[in-house]
Amino acid sequence: GEDVEQSLFLSVREGDSSVINCTYTDSSSTYLYWYKQEPGAGLQLLTYIFSNMDMKQDQRLTVLLNKKDKHLSLRIADTQTGDSAIYFCAENSGGYQKVTFGTGTKLQVIP
Amino acid sequence: DAGVIQSPRHEVTEMGQEVTLRCKPISGHNSLFWYRQTMMRGLELLIYFNNNVPIDDSGMPEDRFSAKMPNASFSTLKIQPSEPRDSAVYFCASSRQDNEQFFGPGTRLTVL
Repeated sequence: GEDVEQSLFLSVREGDSSVINCTYTDSSSTYLYWYKQEPGAGLQLLTYIFSNMDMKQDQRLTVLLNKKDKHLSLRIADTQTGDSAIYFCAENSGGYQKVTFGTGTKLQVIP
Repeated sequence: DAGVIQSPRHEVTEMGQEVTLRCKPISGHNSLFWYRQTMMRGLELLIYFNNNVPIDDSGMPEDRFSAKMPNASFSTLKIQPSEPRDSAVYFCASSRQDNEQFFGPGTRLTVL
């Protein structure tokens, strides 16, 4: 079955870059996503990448996809305290818009 | 657009009681998902519907859990009888064909 794995915790200093990594197992994934969950709230889509791309940049966010190794990463440049949250990697597993989420990485930004 | 609406936001109940969680998806979305989030198990997909039809309920923990979607604008998740291990945050999400899921604010359930 599908499996998405992430490290549980990352701590960075304000102004530094953050890199959150993810590995997945379903080679047929069409889209891969990064969701952000702030305390007490639901998940919100941050960005996504189509499986035939290897990089996508959106302002401070850079997504890198290594399809051969089934590895996805999210880089946040100039990390701010407002970026403190849990970040979920996710992949779509085919039909009916079903998405498999990773375990989530809690990002702590130290002022 | 109000987004996905869930009620109640918080529920505290005693073991053995019936609990009903409610969700109103975003208008025009044709898929609806119920998730459970705990510290121990993370985010788990319980069940999802497409065009009001349950497609995959393999994530439903046991027979005490049931979900319905009587129409395109309403779904319920029921736990009967509830147990302390059911304590979690339950999220509802909806999506259209383009796959992005929009999450509700969640219902924090505490079973004493």
